[in-house]
Amino acid sequence: QSALTQPASVSGSPGQSITISCTGTSSDVGAYNFVSWYQQHPGKAPKLIIYEVSNRPSGFSNRFSGSKSGNTASLTISGLQAEDEAYYYCSSYTSISTLFGGGTKLTVL
Amino acid sequence: QITLKESGPTLVKPTQTLTLTCTFSGFSLSTSGVGVGWIRQPPGKALEWLALIYWDDDKRYSPSLKSRLTITKDTSKNQLVLTMTNMDPVDTATYYCAHSPKGGSCYFDWGQGTLVTVSP
Repeated sequence: QSALTQPASVSGSPGQSITISCTGTSSDVGAYNFVSWYQQHPGKAPKLIIYEVSNRPSGFSNRFSGSKSGNTASLTISGLQAEDEAYYYCSSYTSISTLFGGGTKLTVL
Repeated sequence: QITLKESGPTLVKPTQTLTLTCTFSGFSLSTSGVGVGWIRQPPGKALEWLALIYWDDDKRYSPSLKSRLTITKDTSKNQLVLTMTNMDPVDTATYYCAHSPKGGSCYFDWGQGTLVTVSP
């Protein structure tokens, strides 16, 4: 099983919206609604921001949303803020294992 | 409040076996649907999932590392242990344990991670 494919970097200005894609296959992303997204600031542990494609953990900002179409999942961050600058990782759970994406560095200009 | 903390050696030599312990609180690994996993991250690189143990002692391993990994739990001590044999410098990474209340499909709570360096 290969890692999921994410763009290496994306950027946006404060207040704008950005979307990060996560491409897998019909055996992982396309087969299960178990896509999750994690935010990681430098030197910190990852933090879950989206689970089961589009659900947000309790108390997490509604500026973050997730979706999926076929073998590609997406994370959209609206109203970009400086503190959103971080690495973002997608993940797909299968009955055999869990895959992570290669990570996307979000830069807030 | 759920907390997890990884512990183990910070330095191991090539070919040695790594043993990491995850000590947790705030949940029970005997509750139906709960899992705890191990994920690692080499310096400057992406996350890599390693293993998962379920409340019923079912286990899952990364296919590429399966022959080297063993995950066990001690429910009475709220601990789980990951062993990785035949360590190599490419295994240098921060190792995280993480809690999944949803059958291993995602990880809601993470430990702070422990950096393990593999060097002669």
